Amino acid sequence: DTGVSQNPRHKITKRGQNVTFRCDPISEHNRLYWYRQTLGQGPEFLTYFQNEAQLEKSRLLSDRFSAERPKGSFSTLEIQRTEQGDSAMYLCASSAVLPAGDTQYFGPGTRLTVL
Amino acid sequence: AQSVAQPEDQVNVAEGNPLTVKCTYSVSGNPYLFWYVQYPNRGLQFLLKYITGDNLVKGSYGFEAEFNKSQTSFHLKKPSALVSDSALYFCAVRDTNAGSGAGSYQLTFGKGTKLSVLP
Repeated sequence: DTGVSQNPRHKITKRGQNVTFRCDPISEHNRLYWYRQTLGQGPEFLTYFQNEAQLEKSRLLSDRFSAERPKGSFSTLEIQRTEQGDSAMYLCASSAVLPAGDTQYFGPGTRLTVL
Repeated sequence: AQSVAQPEDQVNVAEGNPLTVKCTYSVSGNPYLFWYVQYPNRGLQFLLKYITGDNLVKGSYGFEAEFNKSQTSFHLKKPSALVSDSALYFCAVRDTNAGSGAGSYQLTFGKGTKLSVLP
């Protein structure tokens, strides 16, 4: 069990550029989540996958954001035409399917800075 | 809609003293409740959770939390604080109805409480 990994750990980009983040969940975890955390706030839910199916999307996930989880393994989160307001820590989590109350385990996050 | 309130932005406690970090929640059905800890520039680390059963839940590093349904609270406690416990603590809630069409798998987090343990 190597934990959830995220790459890159840091990303600095200019406004208007596209960025893509990758998340590798704990092996055999069927569920994968993306959250966004800004300074002084708790994480806010963005989207959720069960296997390769994207089952929930937050209203925070504007048209510029897209997430995929091909083959139900790793996931990518792409932000197109970045804006300064996109600057945040992007967290990925994964969990196993349990009868009740599965625990979400978080990766170290990708810190995005949009100049 | 579900929500979490952590009424204290910061809690200061002397090393060796007991600590309490408060959390109250709101959810339409029954809750699953979680505590996570975050160290600077790191992701969230799971501490403990309440699913059902005993209201007192024990977790990692000597932490425990008490579920109180009537007060809709899930306060985090530790009998004797360590300087290394200094970090940001987040309470989170999820509706048990997730998957039935009436709830969501998303966790809703509080704003966090900064715990400082003074030597």
